[in-house]
Amino acid sequence: GESVGLHLPTLSVQEGDNSIINCAYSNSASDYFIWYKQESGKGPQFIIDIRSNMDKRQGQRVTVLLNKTVKHLSLQIAATQPGDSAVYFCAENIYSNSGYALNFGKGTSLLVTP
Amino acid sequence: NAGVTQTPKFRVLKTGQSMTLLCAQDMNHEYMYWYRQDPGMGLRLIHYSVGEGTTAKGEVPDGYNVSRLKKQNFLLGLESAAPSQTSVYFCASSYKKTVANYGYTFGSGTRLTVV
Repeated sequence: GESVGLHLPTLSVQEGDNSIINCAYSNSASDYFIWYKQESGKGPQFIIDIRSNMDKRQGQRVTVLLNKTVKHLSLQIAATQPGDSAVYFCAENIYSNSGYALNFGKGTSLLVTP
Repeated sequence: NAGVTQTPKFRVLKTGQSMTLLCAQDMNHEYMYWYRQDPGMGLRLIHYSVGEGTTAKGEVPDGYNVSRLKKQNFLLGLESAAPSQTSVYFCASSYKKTVANYGYTFGSGTRLTVV
């Protein structure tokens, strides 16, 4: 899962296995969460989102689970492929008087081995 | 439809020099953001804008200024670059708050090195 520090946590999985990436968020008032994928040298790309009135949402090969009680978010990737190797960020929606912005976690590096 | 375009892609500055990073989006998005990304630190918000002519400070605004004179453009300025500003800078944009989707569209980044 994501953590504070200079080194990204790394998850290494074999091709074809399922991957689970975890994230703890900080603001109990957050009502919207997103998972992003960032490949080397590129900007983050939207994967899947979930609103706080849901506890599960599925996409193509990906599922996001939300546990508001413990402020925990997870991303499950089914049948992980080499192309899934990237850094994955969770983000929570933060409101202020000036509008809203996304607060990003520090990321988890996923390495898929053949 | 290009999405979010950042220029330049790479730049090396000497300490004390100034420069402006340009972000342009063609999706008619209201909100625009500047983030910096450092190893092990994730993405940190520098400044953002909720509409033309408005800007607001994010988490790490010191040493940067921004302007949003046109809806499609969001400029990030470094008045006197410091080595601590060596980073990869990402611009993003999004629609105004909607029920359905707050997702951001990111540019491909600007890699800035200050020597």
